[in-house]
Amino acid sequence: ETGVTQTPRHLVMGMTNKKSLKCEQHLGHNAMYWYKQSAKKPLELMFVYNFKEQTENNSVPSRFSPECPNSSHLFLHLHTLQPEDSALYLCASSQAGSPEYEQYFGPGTRLTVT
Amino acid sequence: GENVEQHPSTLSVQEGDSAVIKCTYSDSASNYFPWYKQELGKRPQLIIDIRSNVGEKKDQRIAVTLNKTAKHFSLHITETQPEDSAVYFCAAPTLSNFGNEKLTFGTGTRLTIIP
Repeated sequence: ETGVTQTPRHLVMGMTNKKSLKCEQHLGHNAMYWYKQSAKKPLELMFVYNFKEQTENNSVPSRFSPECPNSSHLFLHLHTLQPEDSALYLCASSQAGSPEYEQYFGPGTRLTVT
Repeated sequence: GENVEQHPSTLSVQEGDSAVIKCTYSDSASNYFPWYKQELGKRPQLIIDIRSNVGEKKDQRIAVTLNKTAKHFSLHITETQPEDSAVYFCAAPTLSNFGNEKLTFGTGTRLTIIP
């Protein structure tokens, strides 16, 4: 696998479920991002990790919990979600956390909360 | 504030004509302005960027112009082709909640090329 990969590609979960999204980058980058993409807000930044340290939490509800065990892997743990959380969740990585570095996106996880 | 406003939200042009998408930003310290293209069902990809020390940058049929005084930058696509149909996002650096710089994206423009 090359670039940025995400699993699963599709996920349907009930509001009481707990699930996790996984992102892996094979580019040797040091920064990783979670974005939410929906019709209302097309590309909304959620979290940023730079060298495994969280450097941004864009006022995201606590039912979304990120984890970055190393620079190549990023997780988004989900629990007690709401129907309005249904969206495409995109992971991205860049060489470093500065905005001047190109961000490489994964294919996304299409999440449906029932 | 951390606003990046993008217009129009949708744009249809005849194949062969030009398309222009405009963005404005509020942070005067911003110095890097990328444009990403997202084709239907695919991931966003960087297509061109511009830094604040230049006013224009071209790459074949696409160009970006920057007016720092007015705080706006534009994407220009000439001789449009069907494969240019996509959603285009502008972006600009803004200050994050943690006091760092982050990239804030515009709301996107859905460009449709009419054959």
